[in-house]
Amino acid sequence: EIVLTQSPGTLSLSPGERATLSCRASQSVSSSYLAWYQQKPGQAPRLLIYGASSRATGIPDRFSGSGSGTDFALTISRLEPEDFAVYYCQQYGRSPPTFGPGTKVDIK
Amino acid sequence: EVQLVESGGGLVQPGGSLKLSCEVSGFIFSSYWMSWVRQAPGKGFEWVATIKQDGSEKNYVDSVRGRFTISRDNAKNSMYLQMDSLRAEDTAVYYCTRRPPGSWYFEYWGRGILVTVSS
Repeated sequence: EIVLTQSPGTLSLSPGERATLSCRASQSVSSSYLAWYQQKPGQAPRLLIYGASSRATGIPDRFSGSGSGTDFALTISRLEPEDFAVYYCQQYGRSPPTFGPGTKVDIK
Repeated sequence: EVQLVESGGGLVQPGGSLKLSCEVSGFIFSSYWMSWVRQAPGKGFEWVATIKQDGSEKNYVDSVRGRFTISRDNAKNSMYLQMDSLRAEDTAVYYCTRRPPGSWYFEYWGRGILVTVSS
């Protein structure tokens, strides 16, 4: 199975700053079949990005995804207070679909 | 509005059984593949099982194959996960999710239900 590694484990930033989260795959992810999710404590995960760079319905344009092959990134251009959460990447190019361990974005 | 609501979780002893349910609303249930995804305490997510629109195709992660059974009742807008021979490592929050047509990411999630396997 494809193993996903996310870095950093924790990112401490202030509101208004730019956040860049990394997701690296152990094998090439075909057709950029990579998604990003946001999870806040006690809440259901929310889909942010699919197909490496397509924003899901209702997701603000400060969230953007990029990358291909084995290296992907999620960028939040200017952090809003509600963006402090844990972010997970997921590949779905090869079965079984697998998730990364997450990056926590917390307030500095 | 798309809604997925899980029920049926709780505390069960190792070797025991539990059946989870997911009732959906806000979309045509019979048109979508559905999946269960779990998250062990303090851990990341793990895909568990998936079922085709008409129930004719089912897929499982290796760690649950032969112990868990996914099913659905389109007339009741509901999906189920029968979990047998439960182990401590099955302890997790179980999420009901909807897959978009032709793809394997999870576009909608329920709030999740906790399953604890412990003596």
